[in-house]
Amino acid sequence: DAGVTQSPTHLIKTRGQQVTLRCSPKSGHDTVSWYQQALGQGPQFIFQYYEEEERQRGNFPDRFSGHQFPNYSSELNVNALLLGDSALYLCASSLGPGLYEQYFGPGTRLTVT
Amino acid sequence: AQSVTQPDIHITVSEGASLELRCNYSYGATPYLFWYVQSPGQGLQLLLKYFSGDTLVQGIKGFEAEFKRSQSSFNLRKPSVHWSDAAEYFCAVGAPGNNAGNMLTFGGGTRLMVKP
Repeated sequence: DAGVTQSPTHLIKTRGQQVTLRCSPKSGHDTVSWYQQALGQGPQFIFQYYEEEERQRGNFPDRFSGHQFPNYSSELNVNALLLGDSALYLCASSLGPGLYEQYFGPGTRLTVT
Repeated sequence: AQSVTQPDIHITVSEGASLELRCNYSYGATPYLFWYVQSPGQGLQLLLKYFSGDTLVQGIKGFEAEFKRSQSSFNLRKPSVHWSDAAEYFCAVGAPGNNAGNMLTFGGGTRLMVKP
């Protein structure tokens, strides 16, 4: 049973560029949440997708956007990258938006130079 | 809005010693509470969760946590620490009844080091 997978593992981008991160949820899960974890800090909720719609959003600017596909996989897009966007981006999946048992992927390490 | 505080940034214990990691939360009612562990270069693994009922919950790897409503705390404990327990530990809260989503709010984490 595959767990949550994320790609790529690492990514280096330049300020002002755009980036797309990908996530495949755990088998049987239909809800995907994205978190940003800056170095030395706890994860911060970015947004959640269920039924291909954004259901909840944390305190992140519109530069952060996402998408969920019919197979429940998801993408996180960040435009106009800033140095402060450097972080580990974690994807978590769950069965339904109201349940809290979330399973996390290994993350994508984004470095903005 | 909910918030979580983990007062100890770093903790060092000897292998075989007992462990307690502190977590305090702020929320208007009884939240859902979680402990996650993160090893270097890894994602988060759920250790245990509290939704309701018995305030002492058992988790994986021999961990347990106790919900104390009067102290707004959910401390994580283990009677005997193993070297493989060295990792970062995160406490998190979620708001029950929010069928629109299940956002988790995390604390800043506690880094556990284990001395041989």
